[in-house]
Amino acid sequence: GQQLNQSPQSMFIQEGEDVSMNCTSSSIFNTWLWYKQDPGEGPVLLIALYKAGELTSNGRLTAQFGITRKDSFLNISASIPSDVGIYFCAGPRVSSGSARQLTFGSGTQLTVLP
Amino acid sequence: NAGVTQTPKFQVLKTGQSMTLQCAQDMNHNSMYWYRQDPGMGLRLIYYSASEGTTDKGEVPNGYNVSRLNKREFSLRLESAAPSQTSVYFCASSKWDQETQYFGPGTRLLVL
Repeated sequence: GQQLNQSPQSMFIQEGEDVSMNCTSSSIFNTWLWYKQDPGEGPVLLIALYKAGELTSNGRLTAQFGITRKDSFLNISASIPSDVGIYFCAGPRVSSGSARQLTFGSGTQLTVLP
Repeated sequence: NAGVTQTPKFQVLKTGQSMTLQCAQDMNHNSMYWYRQDPGMGLRLIYYSASEGTTDKGEVPNGYNVSRLNKREFSLRLESAAPSQTSVYFCASSKWDQETQYFGPGTRLLVL
């Protein structure tokens, strides 16, 4: 089945540093989604990517849809304490009717040290 | 708009007890989903409902049942809880034919 391998599993960085994380798959995806989960909360969508090669920004966050359609990258610039949380990549599995089942990566736990 | 709401926030059960987790959305979405989240494993789909009146199994449906009560509400039932069902449960919803899903705050369940 479709699986997403997300790395790194965890990161400890100093406030102000830039962060990079990625997600890879053995299958092609037509959409890549990046979510953030704050401690004790549900995931919140950060960025959605729909075309191979697409580069999209949302404030200090930038995500790219890999040209092979088998990977995606998320960068955070100038990290701040509120960036702490778990970052998930996700992509749609084979659709069933109108529902889009998502496959999620296992997440990258980000800790920002003051 | 409240978005996606879930009740209860926390629950402790004994093995063999039953319970229903409630989920409601006010975004007029057609599709709704139930996930469980375990440490290091991301989110795994339990059941989903593409539209009112339909439900389908996801990746890990065993031990669960669902009901799509109406367009707004989608409940998840554990008939006989087991310790392996200790997890955080998230409900999500999406517009028809769109990948972007919106999540509720979660229900933290402990089965002793």
